[in-house]
Amino acid sequence: DAGVIQSPRHEVTEMGQEVTLRCKPISGHDYLFWYRQTMMRGLELLIYFNNNVPIDDSGMPEDRFSAKMPNASFSTLKIQPSEPRDSAVYFCASSLMEWETQYFGPGTRLLVL
Amino acid sequence: SQQGEEDPQALSIQEGENATMNCSYKTSINNLQWYRQNSGRGLVHLILIRSNEREKHSGRLRVTLDTSKKSSSLLITASRAADTASYFCATHTGGFKTIFGAGTRLFVKA
Repeated sequence: DAGVIQSPRHEVTEMGQEVTLRCKPISGHDYLFWYRQTMMRGLELLIYFNNNVPIDDSGMPEDRFSAKMPNASFSTLKIQPSEPRDSAVYFCASSLMEWETQYFGPGTRLLVL
Repeated sequence: SQQGEEDPQALSIQEGENATMNCSYKTSINNLQWYRQNSGRGLVHLILIRSNEREKHSGRLRVTLDTSKKSSSLLITASRAADTASYFCATHTGGFKTIFGAGTRLFVKA
């Protein structure tokens, strides 16, 4: 298996622009997680899905952030409009069972100017 | 504050020495996991220990869990330069979140 795939790996954009991050989980994994990592706040859980349904989005910072999972093999995290404070590394992870081993993607390094 | 907090924040040792990292948490847990993150990479799962277990081994890794003290330790024996990374503990409390600590940065000098 190729593992969790994320795209793009790097994104540089200007404040106010829309940003879309993509994730393909490991086939057969029912759980998908979106995390954000910064030096100041560490690793934060933004949202997670079970069988394509959002279960807990309490970590989503504000309405500018939205996430979807239209099918079992694809998820997006969208920021609209983006702000400089959104600059971070965004990770997608998937797992077979809830809160067991999570498999992380390589991350998307986002810089908002 | 975070559920899991690692100690020390940073650790520098010579190759061949053992490295010990600690994690303390505040509330009861279902399981505790340790992850490694190499610079610029995603996290990699190392080991999971459940609340009814006291010790687990995996290769050069040894994890202990003391639920009475709400703490866990990760021991890496005979460290190698390739072990240089950040190590995170993650606790699952039975709620809906696994919470990651701030991590310990380990540097192994060749």
